[in-house]
Amino acid sequence: DIQMTQSPSSLSASVGDRVTITCQASQDITNYLIWYQQKPGKAPKLLIYDASNLETGVPSRFSGSGSGTDFTFTISSLQPEDIATYYCQQYDNLPFTFGPGTKVDIK
Amino acid sequence: QLVQSGAEVKKPGASVKVSCKASGYTFTTYGISWVRQAPGQGLEWMGWISTYNGNTNYAQKFQGRVTMTTDTSTSTAYMELRSLRSDDTAVYYCAKGRGFGVRWPFDYWGQGTLVTVSS
Repeated sequence: DIQMTQSPSSLSASVGDRVTITCQASQDITNYLIWYQQKPGKAPKLLIYDASNLETGVPSRFSGSGSGTDFTFTISSLQPEDIATYYCQQYDNLPFTFGPGTKVDIK
Repeated sequence: QLVQSGAEVKKPGASVKVSCKASGYTFTTYGISWVRQAPGQGLEWMGWISTYNGNTNYAQKFQGRVTMTTDTSTSTAYMELRSLRSDDTAVYYCAKGRGFGVRWPFDYWGQGTLVTVSS
């Protein structure tokens, strides 16, 4: 199975700050990488697919980059409604696997 | 879009069957995956079913214990997990794939079904 790691596991930032999360795959997954946002008690929400494609309706302050084994997710200007846990997921190989998540809150 | 059945409480060794009713799109065009999340933990993919022909692909961890099925007449997907253990306590989600096959992002999710396994 492909192992996904994320860092940091949590972060605290101020409104308006730039926030960056990294995700690393244990083997090359080309660009088969997704980023989800999950708020407490809710289902995950698709934000970014194919490593860098923004899902329709998702604010442009969210972005993703990377390929191969190393990926980055960025919130360009953190908003209060962005408080959530963010997960990366690879869908290159079965079984699909998720990173452990990064919890983002407001300082 | 995806509405799941209600919370369940089961004893160890029992089985649970969770349903996921789809609406607003052609059910047989997109596959369904099942993902679970133990309390306070991350996400775990359990498997996928083709709503077109019933083909399945299960994570090895659940092989022999899980069965995914569909009823195209009611646009409903089902996930049955047998021989429940306490560590199966989790919220179970169905998630619609964006495309026909298995290798697609999950663009819509059900609201989740809490399954509690306790004696």
